This record gives sequence, structure tokens and C-alpha cells, in this order.
Amino acid sequence: QVQLQESGPGLVKPSETLSLTCTVSGGSISSYYWSWIRQSPGKGLEWIGYIYYSGSTSYNPSLKGRATISIDTSRNQFSLKVMSVTAADTAIYYCARTNYDFSSLVWFDPWGQGTLVTVSS
Amino acid sequence: QSVLTQPPSASGTPGQRVTISCSGSSANIGNNYVYWYQHFPGTAPKLLIYRSDQRPSGVPDRFSGSKSGTSASLAISGLRSEDEADYFCATWDDSLSGPVFGGGTKLTVL
Repeated sequence: QVQLQESGPGLVKPSETLSLTCTVSGGSISSYYWSWIRQSPGKGLEWIGYIYYSGSTSYNPSLKGRATISIDTSRNQFSLKVMSVTAADTAIYYCARTNYDFSSLVWFDPWGQGTLVTVSS
Repeated sequence: QSVLTQPPSASGTPGQRVTISCSGSSANIGNNYVYWYQHFPGTAPKLLIYRSDQRPSGVPDRFSGSKSGTSASLAISGLRSEDEADYFCATWDDSLSGPVFGGGTKLTVL
């Protein structure tokens, strides 16, 4: 069965770039959408963006253009970069396979277990 | 503040039936399917309900979903101690052109 695993630094300094990678195992990264979602301490979940295996992307406007998602089909990985981070970007970051269903992309299955990223000097 | 509104907590005793609500608007729940996820902190969230009332294979029929207008509900019958987890709803938002989530409900089995 498909499994996802997030990896990357757990601590990022303010104004720097947060970089995370999601490795997909047990299945191909092709023919699906792949999403990044985060949960800030004490808050609900926030969709960051998604990428199709072909490379097309869509992002939440709330990140004001600071997020970039890329995909490497040869490595079965996709990645997230968030520029100019502040303490507000401190969160648990999840990656998830996303199924296109009736013109929407809300069917997240499976998810990674998440990785905590703290923004602090 | 989450786009979808859920009660922060819910509780019940073993065997009881518990319902968790999720409220939105015509731009999201009113016009789209609702999805429910179960989350044990520190683990990967799990899809519980898709298309408002459908269960993926492997999800017990004790879990059921429904939707009416701009609100949706997750019902858990025959409550068990292992159901103690966080539950959150999600749907597509036509204004955002992206998914939105509820704030999550922490279910406690007394």
C-alpha cells in the first residue's frame, strides 16, 4: 500500500526558506495530485497547495506567493518550499495523495504522519 | 479561525451514539461533498467518510456521514474507547478554488 513520509529540517530561522520533501513508497507518483497541508499550534488545518504529476500547481492565496511545490517523478518525491518564513509558519506539515473527485480535490488518502517545523532564531 | 465550524470537543460513554457537526456556507458545504478524517495526534490522519456519506473499505459501519444544506454531520454509534481521537471535516470551497477544513473536534470516550 502507498505510504508517504515527510522529511526536512525541524528548525528554520525567520526570513529563511522552509524546505520539505515527501517521499512516496509502495506506488507510483504518476497519475495523481499531491498536496501539502499544515496545522499550526492550536489551530485547524490549512491547505497549502497541490501539484499534479505533470507539474501543474495550485496554491492557497493565504501564503501570498511564498510557497512553491515541485515534483520529481524519477525519485517518487514531491517538495515544498516556503520563502521568508515567520513564526506564523510554525506548524506540523503533512503531505497527502489527493484524488480528483467531482471537480474537487478534497479526498486526501493516504497522508504522511507529519513533520513539525519550528521557525525561530 | 477555520472556514468550517466544528465544536472543539465532544464526549460520550462506551456504546453511546455521538454526533459531530460541521457548518459552512453555500460556497463550500452547500455546493460540494464533505469529507471526514480521523486523527490520532502524532500519526497520519485517516479518511473516514468521502462524498458526504460514503465509507472507504475497512471503515466500520459504526461511522456514518450526512449532509443537509450548508451543514454536515459525522455520527459514531456503539462508541468505543479506541474512537477517542480528533475528527475534522473538509470540503471544496468555490470561492477559494481549494479545500477548506474545520477546526477539528476532540472526541473523548468517558
